[in-house]
Amino acid sequence: EAEVAQSPRYKITEKSQAVAFWCDPISGHATLYWYRQILGQGPELLVQFQDESVVDDSQLPKDRFSAERLKGVDSTLKIQPAELGDSAMYLCASSLIVAASGGAGEQFFGPGTRLTVL
Amino acid sequence: GDSVTQMEGPVTLSEEAFLTINCTYTATGYPSLFWYVQYPGEGLQLLLKATKADDKGSNKGFEATYRKETTSFHLEKGSVQVSDSAVYFCALSGQNFVFGPGTRLSVLP
Repeated sequence: EAEVAQSPRYKITEKSQAVAFWCDPISGHATLYWYRQILGQGPELLVQFQDESVVDDSQLPKDRFSAERLKGVDSTLKIQPAELGDSAMYLCASSLIVAASGGAGEQFFGPGTRLTVL
Repeated sequence: GDSVTQMEGPVTLSEEAFLTINCTYTATGYPSLFWYVQYPGEGLQLLLKATKADDKGSNKGFEATYRKETTSFHLEKGSVQVSDSAVYFCALSGQNFVFGPGTRLSVLP
């Protein structure tokens, strides 16, 4: 069964350092999402890609976060510099382009990257 | 904009008890509705879904019915097990994908 891959699974870093997370969506899924999930809360959308284009990055802290999906397949999320408040689970998800209704389709999630900033 | 409201947790039940987790939504148009489950330290997994009014999604003994008239999609299970302990997220797919805040379920033996 096809799955969304993420790496690393765990990352510990010191504040002010740079970190990067990688995601490989299910083959054929044009839409890719990055979420941040703080412990005890629901996922918060950071950025959404349609192929290689950013569709929504309104909640991405652009002073320190960046995301790219250069070839419209895998994606990288970077934080530079990391801050203590960035400690969270970073989830990647993918979906087919649209549902029949024209809205966003069902999302498939990767296992996440647990980031701890010391 | 679209939104999802879930009953607050945590919910603690004894094994074999009946489970209901309430979910209501606000959306324009006719969204698809989902329940996702998250086990400790893992990503979210789709539990069930419904794409139109009166559809019933079901999986692993869990059920939820898309009620347009009450804008609800309550999750139910007749007899919970310890292994069902997890966080449950209601979500909708309209123009955007929106998650509820999650409800933590703990099932005690």
